[in-house]
Amino acid sequence: ETGVTQSPTHLIKTRGQQVTLRCSSQSGHNTVSWYQQALGQGPQFIFQYYREEENGRGNFPPRFSGLQFPNYSSELNVNALELDDSALYLCASRLAGGTDTQYFGPGTRLTVL
Amino acid sequence: GENVEQHPSTLSVQEGDSAVIKCTYSDSASNYFPWYKQELGKGPQLIIDIRSNVGEKKDQRIAVTLNKTAKHFSLHITETQPEDSAVYFCAASRGGGADGLTFGKGTHLIIQP
Repeated sequence: ETGVTQSPTHLIKTRGQQVTLRCSSQSGHNTVSWYQQALGQGPQFIFQYYREEENGRGNFPPRFSGLQFPNYSSELNVNALELDDSALYLCASRLAGGTDTQYFGPGTRLTVL
Repeated sequence: GENVEQHPSTLSVQEGDSAVIKCTYSDSASNYFPWYKQELGKGPQLIIDIRSNVGEKKDQRIAVTLNKTAKHFSLHITETQPEDSAVYFCAASRGGGADGLTFGKGTHLIIQP
């Protein structure tokens, strides 16, 4: 077990709607990253938060946004959902101190109809 | 940006035999190379990682080798067991930064009894 939890497990939304996914990291993990994993593909980096500020982003549009809270929890928000947003969304956390090791949660499966 | 190629996409081996999965990367500044195992319905689980100042690392039946000059790294699993069946992903990053992990497309490892 990585100590990283995500909710909900599954979610079904309609095109154009908005969604919020949640992640809870272990105490002391002050860096959290979010990834999108399409079926049959490797995870793709969306963005990273460090000390509640976004400090890195992959090739994803601004309608993907996030928040990180002092209690080591975080959120991924996606606006104006598109069919291609259907995927497994993973969060990964890192220990403070500069380690590169990322621990992944079980993911949230999002289906957009 | 970084690009990671992974081969083969599917690998079937007899139980007890060895399995080798290979990856190449494009960014010469990448210096952190983790391998993840993902079972159905679960998030990626870190199994081993290596940094660019090390050529080889071993942990029981699992080993990773890195050739910085050729920009490729490999995962070796010896004495394969049925529980090794899963999808394996290689990844690369610059380490310590905020640009996230770049993953390969994955290898579906099948252990035949």
